[in-house]
Amino acid sequence: QVQLVQSGAEVKKPGASVKVSCKVSGYTLTELSMHWVRQAPGKGLEWMGGFDPEDGETIYAQKFQGRVTMTEDTSTDTAYMELSSLRSEDTAVYYCARESQYDSSGYLTRRFDPWGQGTLVTVSS
Amino acid sequence: DIQMTQSPSSLSASVGDRVTITCRASQSISSYLNWYQQKPGKAPKLLIYAASSLQSGVPSRFSGSGSGTDFTLTISSLQPEDFATYYCQQSYSTRSFGQGTKLEIK
Repeated sequence: QVQLVQSGAEVKKPGASVKVSCKVSGYTLTELSMHWVRQAPGKGLEWMGGFDPEDGETIYAQKFQGRVTMTEDTSTDTAYMELSSLRSEDTAVYYCARESQYDSSGYLTRRFDPWGQGTLVTVSS
Repeated sequence: DIQMTQSPSSLSASVGDRVTITCRASQSISSYLNWYQQKPGKAPKLLIYAASSLQSGVPSRFSGSGSGTDFTLTISSLQPEDFATYYCQQSYSTRSFGQGTKLEIK
């Protein structure tokens, strides 16, 4: 069973960068497609990007292009999300989530399960 | 990008009620539609995937239907633990979520 454990809360100043980690257990990271979703206080879920195994590439939401980088360290089964040029609007809980590709019948379904516990990133001067 | 629109944005209901939440996609997404439940301070939890498949361990009072652009999540008989926020999400192309539906106790 896959479990995702994220790094702790961060406080950053505007203009800085933050790097959030997501440690995988129960599987190796190479077997998974990892995505990142954020949620500003009192707001909805916002997809940031993730690995697309069909293309073999990481895809990013247009809103974050050029400012976000998602990487993986397969030696430690840890995924990372780095967001740069932080502003107050980036204050949010950041989640990693495994995207399951196929169901038990072999149909392509693409759904997020499980999720990490979330990491609060606060951007404040 | 595909836009997902949920309705209503909030809903008040009582224990035992039948509740339906609607999600509409800005273009056809076939059956690449998932539903999540989120409680305050917790990560979202997958309820329904591929529009109508019940995730393992999720009570059978939850069901999903639809294809193309219009989808519904139905809770057949509300239980106290079902009061939460619900999100739809499309995985047909670059992923996106609906804005959420907050289900509150009447």
